[in-house]
Amino acid sequence: QVTLQESGPVLAKPTETLTLTCTVSGFSVNNARMGVSWIRQPPGKALEWLAHILWNDETSYSRSLKSRLSISKDTSRSQVVLTMTNMDPVDTATYYCTQMYFYDTRAVSLDVWGQGTTVTVSS
Amino acid sequence: SYELTQAPSLSVSPGQTASITCVGFNLGDKYVSWYQQRPGQSPVLVIYGDLRRPSGIPERFSGSHSGNTATLTISGTQTMDEADYYCQAWDSTILFGGGTKLTVL
Repeated sequence: QVTLQESGPVLAKPTETLTLTCTVSGFSVNNARMGVSWIRQPPGKALEWLAHILWNDETSYSRSLKSRLSISKDTSRSQVVLTMTNMDPVDTATYYCTQMYFYDTRAVSLDVWGQGTTVTVSS
Repeated sequence: SYELTQAPSLSVSPGQTASITCVGFNLGDKYVSWYQQRPGQSPVLVIYGDLRRPSGIPERFSGSHSGNTATLTISGTQTMDEADYYCQAWDSTILFGGGTKLTVL
């Protein structure tokens, strides 16, 4: 059974750097055709993709947030880590990590989602 | 930047058919997935590859795709289907629509 579990601080101060960890089980972050994405959802708003890392270590970032984001994986710990610098109150959101699966060379589905971790940015 | 457009809301009566659309430029070149997000819960994949249903998803959920429009159809809508629904495509990055809030009453 595939599971993903997000962890990190529930509260961050403006200008701080946020570090979130996604611990996966039931699959390897190195499995071919797979990856892990981070997605966030501000209260009452839509889903927003932030970044992903694939089985081949390829990474990609949201254009609007690229300068603030970094994603990496630790295969030995089955973890994917997202850091976001210079946090602001508008970054208050629930942050999800998800399993990505390339069911076609030009298509990805987000098969399993973590429960999400809510981060509030406030001084 | 590439956008997927969904109507913000849709209301249907129990037992009716709900059709939720997703429109995007050149969406015809892409496969579309759909996610259901009930209040306070994480999203769940309900359709991928335009029309494929993951195991465990009820048969009343179906998908279709014609040109630049993809459609999620819920036949015989139940009160438990009340949720936000998001379309998603891949363009070297993950793209989401803005979501459609489905109300069943």
